[in-house]
Amino acid sequence: NAGVTQTPKFRVLKTGQSMTLLCAQDMNHEYMYWYRQDPGMGLRLIHYSVGEGTTAKGEVPDGYNVSRLKKQNFLLGLESAAPSQTSVYFCASRGSLNHREQFFGPGTRLTVL
Amino acid sequence: GNSVTQMEGPVTLSEEAFLTINCTYTATGYPSLFWYVQYPGEGLQLLLKATKADDKGSNKGFEATYRKETTSFHLEKGSVQVSDSAVYFCALSEGNNAGNMLTFGGGTRLMVKP
Repeated sequence: NAGVTQTPKFRVLKTGQSMTLLCAQDMNHEYMYWYRQDPGMGLRLIHYSVGEGTTAKGEVPDGYNVSRLKKQNFLLGLESAAPSQTSVYFCASRGSLNHREQFFGPGTRLTVL
Repeated sequence: GNSVTQMEGPVTLSEEAFLTINCTYTATGYPSLFWYVQYPGEGLQLLLKATKADDKGSNKGFEATYRKETTSFHLEKGSVQVSDSAVYFCALSEGNNAGNMLTFGGGTRLMVKP
């Protein structure tokens, strides 16, 4: 049981390049989330999903897109990376409505030059 | 909207000292409250939680009590160890939003010296 995994662990992009971050969970969780972590700002929610085939915007969605084609996977895309997107990205998942604890992946450190 | 405020760090303590990290929150309803810990180079791990007023969450010697009257959830530990050095995040989750999203505080870095 791996929990929540993220790939890649590190990535360096040039401004304007695109990439996709993959999050996978093996706990059969309905809810999945993408956060970014910046110094002194805690974690801010980018997008989330309440089930397969659904996505919704969080607090800071601009410049990102997501997809949840399979229940276990939640993809975060950057179509045209900008230096302001340099951050550490965390994926999380949660089970049923009554369980509010979220389980986090190890993070992806992204640098945009 | 919801918000969480934590004391700014870093907090530097000697081993075996008493720890308090303050956390206060603003919420419209009756949130669940959490403390997460992030060790260097890792993701966040749930440390403890409380789901209703006067509940006390505890784990690994850490404790926090849900105080509705003061809207607080302060983290305490009686005797810290070097291995407790990490960043601690206070968070809340309210049941009235579609995704039961977590709202985080800014994090408090704890450094424990031998």
